[in-house]
Amino acid sequence: QVHLVQSGAEVKKPGASVTISCKASGYMFTSYTIQWVRQAPGQSLEWMGWINTGNGNTKYSQKFQGRVAITRDTSADTAYMELSSLTFEDTAVYYCARDRARYQVLSHWFDPWGQGTLVTVSS
Amino acid sequence: EIVLTQSPATLSLSPGERATLSCRASQSVSSYLAWYQQKPGQAPRLLIYDTSNRATGIPARFSGSGSGTDFTLTISSLEPEDFAIYYCQQRSNPLTFGGGTKVEIK
Repeated sequence: QVHLVQSGAEVKKPGASVTISCKASGYMFTSYTIQWVRQAPGQSLEWMGWINTGNGNTKYSQKFQGRVAITRDTSADTAYMELSSLTFEDTAVYYCARDRARYQVLSHWFDPWGQGTLVTVSS
Repeated sequence: EIVLTQSPATLSLSPGERATLSCRASQSVSSYLAWYQQKPGQAPRLLIYDTSNRATGIPARFSGSGSGTDFTLTISSLEPEDFAIYYCQQRSNPLTFGGGTKVEIK
């Protein structure tokens, strides 16, 4: 069974960085793109970017360009999302999700999702 | 950026009733639209992709239709576990989601 398990909740100060991990199991990690989405409290969903877990290529939403970095460790079947220069507006639940299409074809449909990681930015 | 507008914001229905949710795009997304269900404290779950294809394990009471800019998610007969928030999503860069429709028990 396919599972994505994310790292635990974080509390950060403004200006700091946060790194969230997303460990995959139940399938061949390098065959599917991993996407990242966030959800501020009481708000809708916001796409951040993706990583081709096979070759490491990435694409980021322009909103986060320069502030986000998505990486992967194929030996650990794990993807990472680092967000820097945090502000209060970055308080949100961050999700990783597997792209639905195999072989890095990129459907941009997210299935399944990790359980989410709450990042709280507080002074 | 393509803006997705969902309506209504809240839908109050009873179990067994039919639910019809709308998603309108600010420009054509062809048939590239998906629907997700999210329950409190949980991650979203993919229901429908490419307008009308049910994801793995999704019951047949969920169906999607539409094309271009106007899309509909229909739940033919609401089960107790269907009361949740539903989001639509399109896949042109940047990927965007609608604001959500909450289906609540009347």
